[in-house]
Amino acid sequence: TQLLEQSPQFLSIQEGENLTVYCNSSSVFSSLQWYRQEPGEGPVLLVTVVTGGEVKKLKRLTFQFGDARKDSSLHITAAQPGDTGLYLCAGLNTGGFKTIFGAGTRLFVKA
Amino acid sequence: NAGVTQTPKFQVLKTGQSMTLQCAQDMNHEYMSWYRQDPGMGLRLIHYSVGAGITDQGEVPNGYNVSRSTTEDFPLRLLSAAPSQTSVYFCASSYSAWVDTQYFGPGTRLTVL
Repeated sequence: TQLLEQSPQFLSIQEGENLTVYCNSSSVFSSLQWYRQEPGEGPVLLVTVVTGGEVKKLKRLTFQFGDARKDSSLHITAAQPGDTGLYLCAGLNTGGFKTIFGAGTRLFVKA
Repeated sequence: NAGVTQTPKFQVLKTGQSMTLQCAQDMNHEYMSWYRQDPGMGLRLIHYSVGAGITDQGEVPNGYNVSRSTTEDFPLRLLSAAPSQTSVYFCASSYSAWVDTQYFGPGTRLTVL
């Protein structure tokens, strides 16, 4: 069974601080995605990384896919209260068709 | 485009009752899936479909049935509801299953008493 472990589970920081969320597995994934979810809504895709070692930037968010395609990280620079939410990583298994989600990191940014 | 729609938004069932959660998308997506989300466990895949007439099991399929008679609709049936099925259910769709954006519906919050 493929598992994705996210850490930390919960993060409460002050506005302006930097943070990193980690997503780790012992399995190889063909691609990895990061989603953000607001209360009462479905997850919304932030980014997809496909190539081992790939780095993608989305404004203040930096996403990295590990060289072995088993892990990923999300780094937020100068966090803002609008970044508050649940961040989920999701891996597409190498056979395709099935997406495995991590348990999520709940981020709270205080003004 | 309405995107992915789910009905109902909330539902309370008694143990043993059956019901169908509806999911529809108007984006002509081939791939559709059902997830359940429980506190501290992320989303777990229940069933998925790669096209009309084709369905398969995900991680936690027991107690649920699906069918895909059209590209647009992918209903999830609870055969005999149990308290362990209390959860928030999300339907999602994407153009394909490969490296593609999944669009999620707003969810159905189900409570089984």
